Amino acid sequence: EAGVTQFPSHSVIEKGQTVTLRCDPISGHDNLYWYRRVMGKEIKFLLHFVKESKQDESGMPNNRFLAERTGGTYSTLKVQPAELEDSGVYFCASSQYHSGNTIYFGEGSWLTVV
Amino acid sequence: GESVGLHLPTLSVQEGDNSIINCAYSNSASDYFIWYKQESGKGPQFIIDIRSNMDKRQGQRVTVLLNKTVKHLSLQIAATQPGDSAVYFCAENEAGNQFYFGTGTSLTVIP
Repeated sequence: EAGVTQFPSHSVIEKGQTVTLRCDPISGHDNLYWYRRVMGKEIKFLLHFVKESKQDESGMPNNRFLAERTGGTYSTLKVQPAELEDSGVYFCASSQYHSGNTIYFGEGSWLTVV
Repeated sequence: GESVGLHLPTLSVQEGDNSIINCAYSNSASDYFIWYKQESGKGPQFIIDIRSNMDKRQGQRVTVLLNKTVKHLSLQIAATQPGDSAVYFCAENEAGNQFYFGTGTSLTVIP
């Protein structure tokens, strides 16, 4: 069974440009999460989908970040326009049930904004 | 949000020794905890979990201890190997809420 997959694995963009990150969760997992880790800091929650609905987006830093999960399958996270402080690793995770159950992470999308 | 912290940001151990990684959490209502291992260039990988109705759980070479009184979690790795070198994160979860992670502890195993 395939795990959580993310694309691209690495991305270097200029300040002001747009980047779209994609996540394919484990098949059958209704819960999909986006997290971010800035260098040397904790892994921070961004948002949580249940199927195609945003259950909790309290961690989204600002309106330059837009997440979608059309059809309840894969998800995209778009950053537009990107700023220097957006650099970091964006992790996607999925789980069959929300809360009290293991969430499985992808390898991450490493974003560098220059 | 809740804060989850680690006592030591870095830890170096000799190969073959036991490692202990500590984690303090602040939400007394958290009832589920996970330890993750993140190797360089990879995503966090599940190691072991524990629920609040337990104070100890053992896996293969790893043991997690939970002290709810002082809100402390630890991960013990027996006979540490070079492949154990990674950043270790603890994560806490309160029913119905999101997981909160600490900053991680970087474990280096010296051959």
